[in-house]
Amino acid sequence: DIQMTQSPSSLSASVGDRVTITCQASQDIGNYLNWYQQKPGKAPKLLIYDASNLETGVPSRFSGSGSGTDFIFTISSLQPEDIATYYCQQYDNLPITFGQGTRLEIK
Amino acid sequence: EVQLVESGGDLVQPGGSLRLSCAASGFTFSSYSMNWVRQAPGKGLEWVSYITSRSTTMYYADSVKGRFTISRDDAKNSVHLQMNSLRDEDTAVYYCARAPGTTVTPLDYWGQGTLVTVSS
Repeated sequence: DIQMTQSPSSLSASVGDRVTITCQASQDIGNYLNWYQQKPGKAPKLLIYDASNLETGVPSRFSGSGSGTDFIFTISSLQPEDIATYYCQQYDNLPITFGQGTRLEIK
Repeated sequence: EVQLVESGGDLVQPGGSLRLSCAASGFTFSSYSMNWVRQAPGKGLEWVSYITSRSTTMYYADSVKGRFTISRDDAKNSVHLQMNSLRDEDTAVYYCARAPGTTVTPLDYWGQGTLVTVSS
């Protein structure tokens, strides 16, 4: 199975800050990577697909980049409603695997 | 509006069985692949199973292979997860999620989840 490692596991930032989360795959996955946001008590929500494509309706402050084994998820200006846990997910090979999640808090 | 509504979660003893259902609406269900993803209390996301459109192919995580069976009823716009020989470690919120066409992801819509608790 492909292992996905996110960093950091938790993050505290201030409103307006630029926030970056990294995701590393245990092998080359091309651009077969998605990013999800999960707010407490809610289902995950797709934000970014194929490493860098913004899902329809998702604010443009969210972005993704990378290919191969190293990927970056960025929030350009943190908003209070962005408090959530963020997951990367690969689909190059089955089984689909998720990163362990990054919990984002407001400082 | 796309909606996915799971049901069937319950408290069950180890070794027992449970059948989860996911009712879909607001889209052409037969054109989409469907997945089940679970989340143990306080833990991350774990993909469980996937069924392509037209039930051509099913895949399972190793942790559930041989115990869980995914199926779909395109006439009733629903997908099901039959769970047998349940273990404590199967305790989780189970989400159904759709994926475009015959692809396994991205999971662009999710249900609200249904809680399965395996305990004696």
